[in-house]
Amino acid sequence: GNSVTQMEGPVTLSEEAFLTINCTYTATGYPSLFWYVQYPGEGLQLLLKATKADDKGSNKGFEATYRKETTSFHLEKGSVQVSDSAVYFCALRTTGGGSNYKLTFGKGTLLTVNP
Amino acid sequence: GEEVAQTPKHLVRGEGQKAKLYCAPIKGHSYVFWYQQVLKNEFKFLISFQNENVFDETGMPKERFSAKCLPNSPCSLEIQATKLEDSAVYFCASSQSGTGNYGYTFGSGTRLTVV
Repeated sequence: GNSVTQMEGPVTLSEEAFLTINCTYTATGYPSLFWYVQYPGEGLQLLLKATKADDKGSNKGFEATYRKETTSFHLEKGSVQVSDSAVYFCALRTTGGGSNYKLTFGKGTLLTVNP
Repeated sequence: GEEVAQTPKHLVRGEGQKAKLYCAPIKGHSYVFWYQQVLKNEFKFLISFQNENVFDETGMPKERFSAKCLPNSPCSLEIQATKLEDSAVYFCASSQSGTGNYGYTFGSGTRLTVV
């Protein structure tokens, strides 16, 4: 079956620090990979995605590269801001092997950025 | 509209009472998914629909949970005889297609508290 493993945190950083949140996956078929962000009291927002190997997703200064050889999709940002404080979820979706298109989530990583 | 609308935002029910949650997907999106987010952020898949047809119900506790997506009506998730363990945030998401190239758009959730 499909699974996603991400560093659980919490992660606490100072403003302008470099961020990495690790994410690895196992999947049947060829997954698309996603990072979602959940701000306090809100729903999930799609942050970025990559649909095939070596694709790089990017948005709002965040980046992640789909690495098939290491089955990874690590999230990075060069300089975090206080407003980036949220819970980040790595997720995958396959279109075959009985997955029925549903997203499989990691357990989320709480990021707190201090001024 | 371009958002997934979930109502109500908050719902409090006594143990054993019925709870009904609603979700209006984005117009033109064929797939609707329901997820339950419990303590510690974990997302549990419940059920998905392709238009008004159940697509995947492998996550549903069928003895008390039911769901529908009828034409020209919001989708609904109903819990008969709620239990304390049903306290969670329930998210609905819609997707344009079943393929992995499309992410989901999530609603802001319904927080169900069973007392």
